[in-house]
Amino acid sequence: EADIYQTPRYLVIGTGKKITLECSQTMGHDKMYWYQQDPGMELHLIHYSYGVNSTEKGDLSSESTVSRIRTEHFPLTLESARPSHTSQYLCASSEVSSNQPQHFGDGTRLSIL
Amino acid sequence: AQRVTQPEKLLSVFKGAPVELKCNYSYSGSPELFWYVQYSRQRLQLLLRHISRESIKGFTADLNKGETSFHLKKPFAQEEDSAMYYCALSRYNTDKLIFGTGTRLQVFP
Repeated sequence: EADIYQTPRYLVIGTGKKITLECSQTMGHDKMYWYQQDPGMELHLIHYSYGVNSTEKGDLSSESTVSRIRTEHFPLTLESARPSHTSQYLCASSEVSSNQPQHFGDGTRLSIL
Repeated sequence: AQRVTQPEKLLSVFKGAPVELKCNYSYSGSPELFWYVQYSRQRLQLLLRHISRESIKGFTADLNKGETSFHLKKPFAQEEDSAMYYCALSRYNTDKLIFGTGTRLQVFP
């Protein structure tokens, strides 16, 4: 079944660790996005990609990095996690045409101790 | 500055009452506007978008460029409408969404 998957759902980890949040989609979408959301706040776009080898930073500055080596895979990496990185991270994808609905994953709740 | 404002964090109504979730935006170009919904323990999903001009689950939303608003309305609320609702704006010819802070709708029996 076509879907978008995020792993892990929850991650509690110590300061200084390297973290990779996984996002994969089997929907055949070219466009993929990462959003960050703090409790009770709006979603902020932190990264997006319009296709393989294309990545751009979003509206909210983030110390994370992303890569897009395969169409279906859009991982997000934090080289050295800090407590300020504690948040929910949501991955989404959409079709190649403009202004198509974005399909969201379940999200990863990240807590840095 | 480009911005989406949802003034109400929480809206509580009784079943059968009309519902209006407010959304105002600030954008100098031609916006594309969306309502996304997140039901309890489910993912964020699209409810409707203004270009479709359709009614989904009894909800409608009209883009008012004069008032820069895109309020979500339903004449008779149902308990299953209880959820978190986010208004979002997509800048012209991009897919970069700007979200509001969301409104939690509670529908009591």
